[in-house]
Amino acid sequence: QVQLHESGPGLVKPSETLSLTCTVSGDSMSGYYWGWIRQPPGKGLEWVGYIHYSGSTYYNPSLESRVTVSLDTSKNQFSLKLSSVTAADTAVYYCARRRPVAGLFDYWGQGTLVTVSS
Amino acid sequence: DIQMTQSPSTLSASAGDRVTITCRASQSINSWLAWYQQRSGKAPKLLIQKASTIESGVPSRFSGSASGTDFTLTISSLQPDDFATYYCQQYKSYPYTFGQGTKLEIK
Repeated sequence: QVQLHESGPGLVKPSETLSLTCTVSGDSMSGYYWGWIRQPPGKGLEWVGYIHYSGSTYYNPSLESRVTVSLDTSKNQFSLKLSSVTAADTAVYYCARRRPVAGLFDYWGQGTLVTVSS
Repeated sequence: DIQMTQSPSTLSASAGDRVTITCRASQSINSWLAWYQQRSGKAPKLLIQKASTIESGVPSRFSGSASGTDFTLTISSLQPDDFATYYCQQYKSYPYTFGQGTKLEIK
């Protein structure tokens, strides 16, 4: 059973960079896409971006200029960096696995709340 | 971007009821649609892919269908565990987009 777990600071100051890591256990990362989805408090889901095991990345155009997703297969981890954050970036951030041939997310982490505030 | 519009936003129902949630895409997405269930404070759970294929382990009371750009999620007989928020997601093209959610409440 694949398990994902997010980690990182729960509070980030405006204009700084949000950094989160997702640790994958229970299966190999090979062949899959690994991504991030966020959910502002009380609101819906927004796809942020993901990375394929090969290193190819895909980002939501609305965030593309500020987002970087990277992979460390030696640690079974992938990471999210979101620069120049504002209060609008306050959300629960989920890491998730995307299936190889369909853009849906079949395994999710429990989510971590990141608040942007001074 | 493809817009996904769910209706209703909130649905009040009782255990044992049959309910239907609708998701409309702003353009053709073929059947590249998934449904997720999100219980309060939890991560979304994948229920259905490709509009009507139920995921392994999902109860058979859940079903999905498609007609053009309209998609429906039906729960045939509501159980207490089913009171949650449901989201559709298109994966026809980038950026992947979700509906705004339908909250299923106990009447």
